[in-house]
Amino acid sequence: EAEVAQSPRYKITEKSQAVAFWCDPISGHATLYWYRQILGQGPELLVQFQDESVVDDSQLPKDRFSAERLKGVDSTLKIQPAELGDSAMYLCASSLVVDSHGGYTFGSGTRLTVV
Amino acid sequence: AQSVAQPEDQVNVAEGNPLTVKCTYSVSGNPYLFWYVQYPNRGLQFLLKYITGDNLVKGSYGFEAEFNKSQTSFHLKKPSALVSDSALYFCAVREGGYSTLTFGKGTMLLVSP
Repeated sequence: EAEVAQSPRYKITEKSQAVAFWCDPISGHATLYWYRQILGQGPELLVQFQDESVVDDSQLPKDRFSAERLKGVDSTLKIQPAELGDSAMYLCASSLVVDSHGGYTFGSGTRLTVV
Repeated sequence: AQSVAQPEDQVNVAEGNPLTVKCTYSVSGNPYLFWYVQYPNRGLQFLLKYITGDNLVKGSYGFEAEFNKSQTSFHLKKPSALVSDSALYFCAVREGGYSTLTFGKGTMLLVSP
């Protein structure tokens, strides 16, 4: 069964440092999403890509967060500088098309701890 | 704006008993509704969805959910719980096909032996 790959699985970083997460969606999936899940809460959308274009980044804290999907395949989410409140699970998901009747396929996530 | 409410932080049930995890939603148009399950330090796994048609939908691992338009609810059910069902369950909604998924805060299901 096809999977969404994410790395690293776990990341510990110091406050004010830069950190990056990588996601490789299911082959052929044009739409890619980054969600942030704070402990005890549901996932919240950070950014949505359609191919290489950003469709929705209204909830992305753009002063410190950036996301790219240069070739419309894999994606990188970066935080610089990291803050204590950024500690969370960062989930990547993909879907075949933006108006798919299906749900999304999620990766296993990256657990970020900022110390 | 679309939203999801999961009123219970935790549901406790004995193995073999039926279980229900509650979800209500709010959207302007037609809802697409989903249930996902999350095991510790893992991503979300798709359980089932309602798009249109029969109000009772069946999904993975013996779970089912009933769509009730008048009550704007989409409760998750299983006739006989297993200890291995213990996990965090998320209800999610999108309005039609073009909006993104909005999740509830999750409900922890604990099934005791």
